[in-house]
This record gives sequence, C-alpha cells and structure tokens, in this order.
Amino acid sequence: DTGVSQDPRHKITKRGQNVTFRCDPISEHNRLYWYRQTLGQGPEFLTYFQNEAQLEKSRLLSDRFSAERPKGSFSTLEIQRTEQGDSAMYLCASTPTSATYEQYFGPGTRLTVT
Amino acid sequence: GDSVTQMEGPVTLSEEAFLTINCTYTATGYPSLFWYVQYPGEGLQLLLKATKADDKGSNKGFEATYRKETTSFHLEKGSVQVSDSAVYFCALSDPGGFKTIFGAGTRLFVKA
Repeated sequence: DTGVSQDPRHKITKRGQNVTFRCDPISEHNRLYWYRQTLGQGPEFLTYFQNEAQLEKSRLLSDRFSAERPKGSFSTLEIQRTEQGDSAMYLCASTPTSATYEQYFGPGTRLTVT
Repeated sequence: GDSVTQMEGPVTLSEEAFLTINCTYTATGYPSLFWYVQYPGEGLQLLLKATKADDKGSNKGFEATYRKETTSFHLEKGSVQVSDSAVYFCALSDPGGFKTIFGAGTRLFVKA
C-alpha cells in the first residue's frame, strides 16, 4: 500500500489556461475527497465521491471546476480558465467506507497561476 | 453551518514544556472530532480522533477529550519535543462522514 498519490506535485500556469490534476487513492478506498488549501488556512472541502458517484460539491466549486472519478478508482480535478485566485494547494484524500471517517491525504498539488 | 475555531499561532515552547492548543466547534448533530498534523514538507496525517462525547483520543503522547457540553476538543501533551514542531489542525466530520471541516491550523515551534 503506497498511500494516496497526486500528480503533478507542482504546476505553474498562465491565467486563462486549463489545468488538470490527478489523484490515485489507496486501493479499495471507495471514498475520495478533494480539498483546497491556501497559505495559513486549513483545507477547504471541494467535493466528494463514493465510488464513481459525485455525491456533494461545495459552493466553492465554481462552474470552472469539474471533477471526475470514472471507474471509481483514480480521480481528476480540472480547472478551466484559471485565475490568480485559484493559486493554492489542492489536496486529495481517501477513506474506506468502514472507517470512522479519518482521511488519508496525498501530498498535494501546488498550483501557481501567473 | 458547521465550523471549527482553534487558537491562533504560532505557539513557541521550550522542550519538555506542557502544550495546550484550544479547539472549539459548532455543529448540528454528533460529529466525529479529529486532530491532524502536518510536519514540515509532509502531507496531512491523522494524529488522533474521538467519535462520541467523553471519548479521549490519544497518540504519541498527545491527547484530546471530546467535550460536548463545552463543544471543545483541546489538544494537550505533557512534554513536547523538538520533533513535535508542526502545524496542527482540529477538524470535525459530519455523522455521515461526507466531508470534514478543518480549523485554520496552529503552528507549533519547539526550541531545544
């Protein structure tokens, strides 16, 4: 078990470009979460999947953001027409349904929009 | 909505000092409560948890008690070490476990 992995670890993009991040959860973890963390703040919930179904989305997730988990394994988070305010650390976490809700976090993808 | 408030940092202590990081929460229902830790250059990891009132979570010498009457989950350690220097996040999860709400984090520096 190698833990939650995220790719890329760092991404620098120009404003207006689209970016896509990938998260590979711990195998057999059927819940997957995306969070955004800005400097000096705790992670903010973005969205959550149970297997391939996206069950909840935060109002932070504007229409420029979309997340998928097509086969219930890895997930992607896409940001279209990036803005400077999108600069943050994007965290992925996973958990098995049977756990008492503690989450296993990946190392994060740091996005810088110039 | 649900929220978590924790004491602002940074907190600077000498080695072997007593640590308290305050955390209070607002939630409907009966959430589970957590402390996560982020060591320099590493990802978030669970430190301890409590799932119902009066439960005490403990790990690595840290402990916290779920106090429903004061809606608190304060983190304590009797004798901190330099290696405890990190950012500590208090968090709650709704009864369905669908999402976790984090506090802003408290940075701890421990001096030798």
